[in-house]
Amino acid sequence: GESVGLHLPTLSVQEGDNSIINCAYSNSASDYFIWYKQESGKGPQFIIDIRSNMDKRQGQRVTVLLNKTVKHLSLQIAATQPGDSAVYFCAENSGGGADGLTFGKGTHLIIQP
Amino acid sequence: EAGVTQFPSHSVIEKGQTVTLRCDPISGHDNLYWYRRVMGKEIKFLLHFVKESKQDESGMPNNRFLAERTGGTYSTLKVQPAELEDSGVYFCASSRMGLGGEQFFGPGTRLTVL
Repeated sequence: GESVGLHLPTLSVQEGDNSIINCAYSNSASDYFIWYKQESGKGPQFIIDIRSNMDKRQGQRVTVLLNKTVKHLSLQIAATQPGDSAVYFCAENSGGGADGLTFGKGTHLIIQP
Repeated sequence: EAGVTQFPSHSVIEKGQTVTLRCDPISGHDNLYWYRRVMGKEIKFLLHFVKESKQDESGMPNNRFLAERTGGTYSTLKVQPAELEDSGVYFCASSRMGLGGEQFFGPGTRLTVL
């Protein structure tokens, strides 16, 4: 079936460096994409989203890039901090945001001091 | 505003027993979703309520799972009888009506079936 997946299960970066987390999706009808951050013992926390009519969106220290041609999504975190250590999930749906989400497996981001 | 809350935070039951999970969405959010994550797997969608109506229940694994949202406020997810493979973390999320409704997640209920 169609799915959203992540390339790397674990990513380790030095504090202060930039990090990039990648995600591939297979549903060409997907029109809404979200990145969530999950810390231990908590539910997924919204970071940033992007619609299919855009290819880039910026937030505070985070940027999401969408390449619909190759069905690829990435999350860039600038100047990583210890608090950025968490599992990051990409998710998508084809209902403009109202439908149930399809999640990727998650990438564990580890920030080295 | 208060976030999505779930009860209990943990539940340990024996195979064959019944468990009921509760979710209180953010006030005013008409959309309510249930998801679960079993060990080593990604978070999977179970079902979606719009107010008290089931909009999409395509992710429900089998008829041992029953979700309700009477009155369109809180929701319950009952597993009867529970099986070992039902163990995992059950998340609830809610969002406003309309497009682009960010789904806010609760902390989850960790269910262990022995």
